[in-house]
Amino acid sequence: NAGVMQNPRHLVRRRGQEARLRCSPMKGHSHVYWYRQLPEEGLKFMVYLQKENIIDESGMPKERFSAEFPKEGPSILRIQQVVRGDSAAYFCASSPGQTDTQYFGPGTRLTVL
Amino acid sequence: GEDVEQSLFLSVREGDSSVINCTYTDSSSTYLYWYKQEPGAGLQLLTYIFSNMDMKQDQRLTVLLNKKDKHLSLRIADTQTGDSAIYFCAESGSMDTGRRALTFGSGTRLQVQP
Repeated sequence: NAGVMQNPRHLVRRRGQEARLRCSPMKGHSHVYWYRQLPEEGLKFMVYLQKENIIDESGMPKERFSAEFPKEGPSILRIQQVVRGDSAAYFCASSPGQTDTQYFGPGTRLTVL
Repeated sequence: GEDVEQSLFLSVREGDSSVINCTYTDSSSTYLYWYKQEPGAGLQLLTYIFSNMDMKQDQRLTVLLNKKDKHLSLRIADTQTGDSAIYFCAESGSMDTGRRALTFGSGTRLQVQP
């Protein structure tokens, strides 16, 4: 059973460009969470999705950030018009939905030049 | 809101025991977790404890939970150099509130001296 997969592992963008981060949950998991880790800090919750629904987006910045988890395909975290402060590691986690245990992917390290 | 705090750094000698401490504020937390992060890597789930338990042991790992003081600890017996990493404490909310997001501490960097 493959773990949570994220791609790309590293992403470099210039200020003003768009960043798209992809997450494929573990097989059988229908719940996806996105977290952001700034340098030397812990992880901060951003958004929680189930298939085709955003359940909790209380940690998402109000502008430029959006997330989706379509019926088919991976979950996407989209950051429009990136700024240097968006540079961070973005982690996706998934759970089967019946328990709270979340399993994390390897992360996407976004660098904004 | 919820808050989780950890000390930033711990240094031990190889073969000694390590104890990493964590405090949290949300008394309704259902599960408490310990994750390990090696440099440049994702988070590896080490162990977790349900809030109605006091202790859980898994090979070299022992988790102690003092719910009254909202204090969680992770003891690693016979610490090895491969245990050098950042250890994160995290809590999840009550099933009743429906909060599924994990709240993480800032992480404790464990350095194991040979």
